[in-house]
Parts: sequence; structure tokens; C-alpha cells
Amino acid sequence: DAGVIQSPRHEVTEMGQEVTLRCKPISGHNSLFWYRQTMMRGLELLIYFNNNVPIDDSGMPEDRFSAKMPNASFSTLKIQPSEPRDSAVYFCASSWDLSNQPQHFGDGTRLSIL
Amino acid sequence: DQQVKQNSPSLSVQEGRISILNCDYTNSMFDYFLWYKKYPAEGPTFLISISSIKDKNEDGRFTVFLNKSAKHLSLHIVPSQPGDSAVYFCAAKGAQKLVFGQGTRLTINP
Repeated sequence: DAGVIQSPRHEVTEMGQEVTLRCKPISGHNSLFWYRQTMMRGLELLIYFNNNVPIDDSGMPEDRFSAKMPNASFSTLKIQPSEPRDSAVYFCASSWDLSNQPQHFGDGTRLSIL
Repeated sequence: DQQVKQNSPSLSVQEGRISILNCDYTNSMFDYFLWYKKYPAEGPTFLISISSIKDKNEDGRFTVFLNKSAKHLSLHIVPSQPGDSAVYFCAAKGAQKLVFGQGTRLTINP
């Protein structure tokens, strides 16, 4: 069974550049979540979708962050312009729905903004 | 405002003994609790969960206990194995969102 697939695994870019992170959820899962992990704040939820519709983006730190889910098998998280403080590991997770079901995580994208 | 707390950043246990990881929460609206295990350079892997209507759930070597009055849950691993060395996160669900603790690094010594 294919799990949640994220790309790229690593991204190093200069401040001010646009960064796009990609996620393919588990087939059949209707809910998708984007998280960010840092030493200071741990794992924090940025935004989540249900049936491709954004439900809650209150965790998105600033307007520089945006996320889309154009179809059931693909989502992007975009940062424009990027800043050094955006450096973190970004995880995507999916679950069957928003009921009490476990979320399954991808292996993350380690983002470094120089 | 940390709603989910894992007060022990690290724990060291001898192989074959019981590992007990603890987690406290503050929000009484949380209704579903999970434990995840994380190896370096990988995403968190779901281990076991428990609904707020139960106080215990077992899956093989893993047992999760929930004490709602104390707002406390724990994960027991018995017997502990070297492959259990990882960072363990507890998470609590409320209003469709998961809130994670900061994690406990478990080391199993041979």
C-alpha cells in the first residue's frame, strides 16, 4: 500500500524565492492536513481540507503561506516569498475523514531558507 | 498555551522491561487520543488510539490507558525491544483537529 507521498524530501533555497511543497494523500482518504515541525513549536497544524475543500486555515502563519487541493490526489503548500524563519520540516497527513480516524503522515519535506 | 504536554523529554529503559510514556492534557473537550512513533527522517507513524468513552485499549505489546478525571493518558510497551527506540508523540483530537505533545525520546538499552 502506498502511503502519503511528499516531494521534495529536501529543499534548500534563498530567502525571497517561492517554495512549493507537494503531497499525494493515500488513495481513498478524503481529509488532508499540512503540519509544520520546529524545535520551538513542535508539530503544529497549518491547514486541513475535507473533500478537497479547505476547512480551517487558522494555523497558517502569514499571508505568504497558501495551500491548494485541486483534486483528491494532490495538494500543494506554497510559501512566497520565503524567509529564513520558515525553515522547518513540513508534513502532510491524510485520513479517511474528519471523524475519529488516525491520520497517516508522509515522510516530510525538510525546508531550509538561506 | 500548551494543551497537550509530555513532561519527560527522554526515557531510557532496559530491553525486555516495561516502557511507560505519559501525557497530560488540559482541554476536557478532547474526545480521541492517539500515540505516534517517529524515527529520524521519517514521518510520525500511528501506533494506537483510544476514544474518550474507554479507559484502556490494547494492541499487541502496546496498551494505552486514559484517565479522564486526571486528564492523563499513558502508553505502556511490554516487553520493550531495541526497535522501539524512537520519539513518541501523544496527540489529542478536538474540533476535528489534532494537537500534539512535544514528544518523548525513548531509548531501549540492550
